[in-house]
Amino acid sequence: TQLLEQSPQFLSIQEGENLTVYCNSSSVFSSLQWYRQEPGEGPVLLVTVVTGGEVKKLKRLTFQFGDARKDSSLHITAAQPGDTGLYLCAGARGSTLGRLYFGRGTQLTVWP
Amino acid sequence: GAGVSQSPSNKVTEKGKDVELRCDPISGHTALYWYRQSLGQGLEFLIYFQGNSAPDKSGLPSDRFSAERTGGSVSTLTIQRTQQEDSAVYLCASSLGTGRQTSNQPQHFGDGTRLSIL
Repeated sequence: TQLLEQSPQFLSIQEGENLTVYCNSSSVFSSLQWYRQEPGEGPVLLVTVVTGGEVKKLKRLTFQFGDARKDSSLHITAAQPGDTGLYLCAGARGSTLGRLYFGRGTQLTVWP
Repeated sequence: GAGVSQSPSNKVTEKGKDVELRCDPISGHTALYWYRQSLGQGLEFLIYFQGNSAPDKSGLPSDRFSAERTGGSVSTLTIQRTQQEDSAVYLCASSLGTGRQTSNQPQHFGDGTRLSIL
């Protein structure tokens, strides 16, 4: 059983469209991190959110941490082919030092 | 380089053989993590080191799996008597931080070792 449920699992869209990826749990997290992974490479950190209700923007990417710190979302505006990749959410819990709990990931493909 | 380095990048071996995977973390990072990623799955936590000790090894799937870290730096993950279900990409990550802030620190990943058991 996954502690973090990520949806959708696959997303295939045209360039210029908007999209949202969701990461949900019944557990509370001390922080939520979003990573992006390309084939044959390790995940690369995009953002960390630590405060309930926090919103962070990274160019066309907007990340939100739920008020109760149980869920998070990633919204991409005007997607581009360069956004193609596997997006992973990962949560940290204060009760378990160090380890991250990962969702299964969302494979995003943006077609030109 | 300045990033996390893992070797080998690919390993193909026969069922029943032992394998050793190596991780060289970013210099100065006290925390080191091993994860496993299978096709269509997210990252599965295996073990976490703080310095040379492993306060959380709860993710190791069986006693065939072991890991050590020496000198607060390089870590090796050993899988004995490999089985086909061990086939996966094994990822290593490192981060700064000690104590309760460690889990909020960004983890920097290597590119992984792709392990295939025939």
